Amino acid sequence: SQQGEEDPQALSIQEGENATMNCSYKTSINNLQWYRQNSGRGLVHLILIRSNEREKHSGRLRVTLDTSKKSSSLLITASRAADTASYFCATERAGSYQLTFGKGTKLSVIP
Amino acid sequence: GAVVSQHPSRVICKSGTSVKIECRSLDFQATTMFWYRQFPKQSLMLMATSNEGSKATYEQGVEKDKFLINHASLTLSTLTVTSAHPEDSSFYICSATDRPSYEQYFGPGTRLTVT
Repeated sequence: SQQGEEDPQALSIQEGENATMNCSYKTSINNLQWYRQNSGRGLVHLILIRSNEREKHSGRLRVTLDTSKKSSSLLITASRAADTASYFCATERAGSYQLTFGKGTKLSVIP
Repeated sequence: GAVVSQHPSRVICKSGTSVKIECRSLDFQATTMFWYRQFPKQSLMLMATSNEGSKATYEQGVEKDKFLINHASLTLSTLTVTSAHPEDSSFYICSATDRPSYEQYFGPGTRLTVT
């Protein structure tokens, strides 16, 4: 069954605004990862947060993880048109190296 | 950063033929490679996990005789779609890692169209 579920499914914002995407999951995890995919392309790894971490930053990205609620959020600050893409969360289940992907959020940043 | 390539990037084949897709890790040794399938506007679905030198582990519902996976070296894994049908048309993406529980490096994907 699908592990991660992102919301919203689609998000449209103006350049310069912040974008927040959420992800929920169902089972115990080793870590949660966020990936970006431009249309028709492969995935680019953005950030990995481990189950014992609560927050992580990387440039304009901020990820939080709440294992009690089984949820994570990805915040992109000061968005740019080049941030337009689909964003997926992926969970690595405890005891496994395999990733289970959510359905993704399609982000459109309008110049 | 680690680079994973896939070949071909696009392939069109006739129904009933077989197609081989290659996945290569260019600057690291991939102990584990993964094959995913992605339908339009949908998420990635894991098809199988392969470790170098051993048989692939297939996810439930994925036919191992239909989707043959070979991981003969630490830098190359191949996925062969045998006797392809139009419903096999999809975007196939591989990923590779040299460290379990760390990030996976994804290839650019192969778009397969079966006519």
